[in-house]
Amino acid sequence: KAGVTQTPRYLIKTRGQQVTLSCSPISGHRSVSWYQQTPGQGLQFLFEYFSETQRNKGNFPGRFSGRQFSNSRSEMNVSTLELGDSALYLCASFPDGTLRDTQYFGPGTRLTVL
Amino acid sequence: GQQLNQSPQSMFIQEGEDVSMNCTSSSIFNTWLWYKQDPGEGPVLLIALYKAGELTSNGRLTAQFGITRKDSFLNISASIPSDVGIYFCAGQSLPGANSKLTFGKGITLSVRP
Repeated sequence: KAGVTQTPRYLIKTRGQQVTLSCSPISGHRSVSWYQQTPGQGLQFLFEYFSETQRNKGNFPGRFSGRQFSNSRSEMNVSTLELGDSALYLCASFPDGTLRDTQYFGPGTRLTVL
Repeated sequence: GQQLNQSPQSMFIQEGEDVSMNCTSSSIFNTWLWYKQDPGEGPVLLIALYKAGELTSNGRLTAQFGITRKDSFLNISASIPSDVGIYFCAGQSLPGANSKLTFGKGITLSVRP
């Protein structure tokens, strides 16, 4: 079974631009979560989607948004990029079918904001 | 936001040695997870723990879910060079409706041949 895939793997943007990142979960997984990883803050939860609905949200500004499609694929968008948005953005998927579900991560998208 | 406590930030061991890592929290979690991350990649799940007191092994790795539900440890036995990487603990309050993972800052493990 293929793992979580994220595209693109690397991205360079300038301040003020916007960016869209994509995540395809493991086949059969219905929930997708997004995390931001930086050297200073570590791994921070952004949001989680299930059945095309945002089910949980972390403490990030409204510039960070996401959505999920009917095939469970998810996108996240960051508008008006700031230098501090440079990070590895990780997507994780899990089945959400049993109490023993665990999250499996993709390789991430490395975003650099200049 | 809340984070789990992992220390020290870095550990240096000799190949063949055992190493233990601890993770503590001020809050209770119902699931504890241990991940390993290599440079430029996403975290890879090593062990998942679902019940207080549970002891689970995965090859040379053993992890335990603390009985207070506020801590967990990971032990790596007979370390080898490919054990090098960053080890994260993560806690989950409840799968499904509250599936957010709370992470520690990670421990960077170096193994001297």
